[in-house]
Amino acid sequence: QKEVEQNSGPLSVPEGAIASLNCTYSDRGSQSFFWYRQYSGKSPELIMFIYSNGDKEDGRFTAQLNKASQYVSLLIRDSQPSDSATYLCAVRGGGFKTIFGAGTRLFVKA
Amino acid sequence: DGGITQSPKYLFRKEGQNVTLSCEQNLNHDAMYWYRQDPGQGLRLIYYSQIVNDFQKGDIAEGYSVSREKKESFPLTVTSAQKNPTAFYLCASRWDGALHFGNGTRLTVT
Repeated sequence: QKEVEQNSGPLSVPEGAIASLNCTYSDRGSQSFFWYRQYSGKSPELIMFIYSNGDKEDGRFTAQLNKASQYVSLLIRDSQPSDSATYLCAVRGGGFKTIFGAGTRLFVKA
Repeated sequence: DGGITQSPKYLFRKEGQNVTLSCEQNLNHDAMYWYRQDPGQGLRLIYYSQIVNDFQKGDIAEGYSVSREKKESFPLTVTSAQKNPTAFYLCASRWDGALHFGNGTRLTVT
């Protein structure tokens, strides 16, 4: 069974700090990697995607991918209370199925 | 406004009854998906469809059925054979590799 693993948290950081969220995956053939943010009671919202090894930055968010280590991470700089949510890591191989991790709960303290 | 519309937002049914969840999109996307989310768990794939009149089972298809008669519509029926139907159901379409979700339907079966 192909898996995506995340620490369930909660991860608690003070306002203004960097939040670091991590994800590992088991399928070496995975090609596409996504981070979704999900507020309580709401549906997931895509915030970042990354396809190649290295870093990808978008505003306060940076996604990092290391295919050799089968590891993908999300950094949130200058964390705000509004960033408090569950962050889902998702991975897609060469086919049509996207597999999700269980998510990491992030709490940003004001 | 383009988007994915799921209805209803909340649905209550008695055990033993079949129920159909609606998913409509006006984004002209070919691929559509149904996921289920239980508390503390990631999203699990129920069914997906790449084109009209074609669909494939996901990881937890037992007790569910779908149809794809039109590109815009991908309804999900939860049958009485589904042992634990109470969950948050999410419909998505795929564009440029990433999934984009509707607002979800929260189904409660008692």
